[in-house]
Amino acid sequence: GAVVSQHPSRVICKSGTSVKIECRSLDFQATTMFWYRQFPKQSLMLMATSNEGSKATYEQGVEKDKFLINHASLTLSTLTVTSAHPEDSSFYICSAPITEAFFGQGTRLTVV
Amino acid sequence: AQSVTQPDIHITVSEGASLELRCNYSYGATPYLFWYVQSPGQGLQLLLKYFSGDTLVQGIKGFEAEFKRSQSSFNLRKPSVHWSDAAEYFCAVGPRTGTASKLTFGTGTRLQVTL
Repeated sequence: GAVVSQHPSRVICKSGTSVKIECRSLDFQATTMFWYRQFPKQSLMLMATSNEGSKATYEQGVEKDKFLINHASLTLSTLTVTSAHPEDSSFYICSAPITEAFFGQGTRLTVV
Repeated sequence: AQSVTQPDIHITVSEGASLELRCNYSYGATPYLFWYVQSPGQGLQLLLKYFSGDTLVQGIKGFEAEFKRSQSSFNLRKPSVHWSDAAEYFCAVGPRTGTASKLTFGTGTRLQVTL
């Protein structure tokens, strides 16, 4: 099946710093990618839709200035968590759809 | 608004026993339906999906699910559970847009398998 690669798988950063997470579709092109967030023992909540060549579409309640999304090519979308705070600590996971959604491995972000 | 309900937060079964995980959805029209499995700290792996046709769909790892329109349900089943099946299972729905769009997930069911 199609492969979506997410990097890094785990990152620890200090409060106030920024962290970039990459999501790559390895064997197909994705004009759209989705970014989800998962709190411990909870479900995945859609944060935003990343659109190649245009602005991302954010879900209600998601701060677009905090969670910067860039979809510069048909195989790469990035999520940058800016000025990270401990409450941003979470599991972030991307997906890229063809006829179904293929998910990256996820990124465990811990802000200390 | 669409929603997915997985009423069982945690299920424990013995290895070799049968399994059924429940999923009900609320949607404007019949959506695309999915079951995903997530091992701790990992991404999601698609077990199976329903788009159209036969309402009993077969997936990987011996799983199957049955779509029942009248009950708005898409329950996941496995006749004999293996210890390696212990994981978190998510039911998800998405719109019929031709290509997979953003998904709405249930809250998940954590499966524990006892030996």
